[in-house]
Amino acid sequence: LAKTTQPISMDSYEGQEVNITCSHNNIATNDYITWYQQFPSQGPRFIIQGYKTKVTNEVASLFIPADRKSSTLSLPRVSLSDTAVYYCLVGEDGSGNTGKLIFGQGTTLQVKP
Amino acid sequence: DSGVTQTPKHLITATGQRVTLRCSPRSGDLSVYWYQQSLDQGLQFLIQYYNGEERAKGNILERFSAQQFPDLHSELNLSSLELGDSALYFCASSVVPAGRNYGYTFGSGTRLTVV
Repeated sequence: LAKTTQPISMDSYEGQEVNITCSHNNIATNDYITWYQQFPSQGPRFIIQGYKTKVTNEVASLFIPADRKSSTLSLPRVSLSDTAVYYCLVGEDGSGNTGKLIFGQGTTLQVKP
Repeated sequence: DSGVTQTPKHLITATGQRVTLRCSPRSGDLSVYWYQQSLDQGLQFLIQYYNGEERAKGNILERFSAQQFPDLHSELNLSSLELGDSALYFCASSVVPAGRNYGYTFGSGTRLTVV
């Protein structure tokens, strides 16, 4: 099971770009990298998922280097409402019968005015 | 509204009691997952069902059990409740049990308080 390591907390200011890096040295060939966002007392919300190179959607970008041992979630021009916990997850064996996601401690992002 | 419905939203009960939490997955999703989130433990995976069958177990206590019914809704039963069982319980659903899509949709959770 691929383990992930990410910073416990980060601070930023409104309007800045925030980059959160996640390490996953033991990622398997079939594993995808997925990021979730969680606000207090709410369920996590899927942000973005990728396998390699770069993925972009209306919310964020995900950068994955060729060796796939790390990934970076990029949030452009954050606002106060982006204050949340961000989880980086690496899926279990993609060919298996279980899709359970194991959440780590996540990164608590605090956006200041 | 994520499409995953959890009831009740809040539950207060006494130690030793039994409660049932209910989850209706998003339309079309066959897999249901249960997670427990307490302040000191983070999000802990409990159990997964796919189309009525148990697929994976996590750190689920023997006092806890779950099932998924033919209409795909799921129930998590917690018995002999202890103070330490107080937590947010989340249900999530997805279309497939695994594979290349690990996008889950989470419900808003049930906050259980054991007094």
